[in-house]
Amino acid sequence: EIVLTQSPGTLSLSPGERATLSCRASQSVSSSHLAWYQQKPGQAPGLLIYGASSRATGISDRFSGSGSGTDFTLSISRLEPEDFAVYYCQHYSSSSGVTFGPGTKVDIK
Amino acid sequence: QVQLQESGPGLVKTSQTLSLTCTVSGPSVHNGGFYWSWVRQHAGKGLEWIGHIDFSDYTYYNPSVKSRVSMSIDRSTNQFSLRLTSVTAADTAVYYCARQTGFYYYSMDVWGQGTTVTVSS
Repeated sequence: EIVLTQSPGTLSLSPGERATLSCRASQSVSSSHLAWYQQKPGQAPGLLIYGASSRATGISDRFSGSGSGTDFTLSISRLEPEDFAVYYCQHYSSSSGVTFGPGTKVDIK
Repeated sequence: QVQLQESGPGLVKTSQTLSLTCTVSGPSVHNGGFYWSWVRQHAGKGLEWIGHIDFSDYTYYNPSVKSRVSMSIDRSTNQFSLRLTSVTAADTAVYYCARQTGFYYYSMDVWGQGTTVTVSS
C-alpha cells in the first residue's frame, strides 16, 4: 500500500510570498500518476497539476509541480488572496488504487 | 462542458443502505478513457477515495469499504451510482463524484459539488 505524507501540515504565509509544499510517497511511484488539488472551504477539490508537473486547464502559471520517485513538490510563486486553501496530493496505482495525502493548509500569516 | 451532480438522501438511518447517484452532463459514461469515481470527506478531514467504475462495469474499491460498497453505471440515464450498506455514524461525510482520466494520468479533472450525508438512528 502506498502512503502519501504531506508537509508541512500548515503553512502560514503572506500574499506575494512563495509557497513550497511537499508530498512524499512511502515507495517510489510513477510521476505520471501524481496529481495535486486545491480545495477552498465549502467547495469541491479542483485539479491543479497532473502528471506531477503539468498544469490543468485554466490553472495559473504561478502554480508549478515537480519531483519524481518518492518526493514531489507543489510551488506557488506569488501567493494571491485566492490561493489560501488546502492542497492535496494524490496518486493512483493498479495495486493500491487512489491514495490522497492528508493535505497542507496554506493560510494567511 | 462536463458537469457532474450528486443526488440522494441527506439522511440515512444506521444499518441501512446509503444510495447516491451522479448525473453526468456532457460525455457519455459509456465512452472509454475515464473512470467514474466516488470520494468522501469527513467533516474537517481529508479526502478518502471510495472506488471507481468504468464503461465496461470494471470496478475498483477501496479495501476499507470493499465489503460494503457497490457501484453501477446506467447508460440510459448517463448516471453512475454508489451503494454503501450497513452504514454507521462513521459514514457521515460529504460525498463527491468525480471523473478520473484513465490510461495514463489517472487524475480527477471534474468534480461534482458534493452532497452531505448524515447517518443517524
